[in-house]
Amino acid sequence: KAGVTQTPRYLIKTRGQQVTLSCSPISGHRSVSWYQQTPGQGLQFLFEYFSETQRNKGNFPGRFSGRQFSNSRSEMNVSTLELGDSALYLCASSLYVGDTEAFFGQGTRLTVV
Amino acid sequence: KQEVTQIPAALSVPEGENLVLNCSFTDSAIYNLQWFRQDPGKGLTSLLLIQSSQREQTSGRLNASLDKSSGRSTLYIAASQPGDSATYLCAVETEPNAGNMLTFGGGTRLMVKP
Repeated sequence: KAGVTQTPRYLIKTRGQQVTLSCSPISGHRSVSWYQQTPGQGLQFLFEYFSETQRNKGNFPGRFSGRQFSNSRSEMNVSTLELGDSALYLCASSLYVGDTEAFFGQGTRLTVV
Repeated sequence: KQEVTQIPAALSVPEGENLVLNCSFTDSAIYNLQWFRQDPGKGLTSLLLIQSSQREQTSGRLNASLDKSSGRSTLYIAASQPGDSATYLCAVETEPNAGNMLTFGGGTRLMVKP
C-alpha cells in the first residue's frame, strides 16, 4: 500500500514568487492536513481538508491557502513568498475525521532566497 | 490553548541502555496521543497511537504510556541501538476538534552511541 506522497521534494524560489505543493494521501484516506516545520517554531498546523472542505485552519496569514480535490489529493499554495517561509512542509493523511492515526509524507523542503 | 512539552530536548546514551522520553500536555481533554520518529530532513514515521481510553501501547522494543489526568505520556525504549538515533516527537489531538489537528511538542533528539 503506497504511503503519503508529496511533490516536489525540494524547491528553491525567490522572494515575491508563489509556490504550489502537492500531497497525495494514502488510498482510501479522506483527510489531509498540512504542517510547517522550522527550527525556531517546530511543527505548526496550517490547515486540514476533508471531503474537499477546509475543517480547520491554523494561525497563518492569508498568503497560505489550500484545496482538496475529489480524489482527496491536496495542494497548498503560498503567494508572495518571504524568506521566513523557508521550511519543511509536511502533509498528513488520515482515514477519517476525529480520533484517528495520522500518517505523514516525506515533506517538501522549500527554500526562499 | 493546548501546549505540549518534551523533556529532555536532547539525550545521548550508550548502546544497550533502556531510556525514557517524556511528554506533557496542558489540556487533558484529548482524543489521542501519538508518538513519531523523525530522521534528519525526513518526514514523520508514526510509532504508537494511544487513544484516550487506553493506558499504554507496545510495539517491539517501544512502550508508550498515557496518564490523561496528569497530562503526561512516556515513551520507553528498551535495549537502545544506534539505529534508534533520531528525533522523537509527541503530538496530541485535543477535544473538541472539528478535524484532525495535532499539537506537537518540540521533540527529543536522541543519539545512541555504539
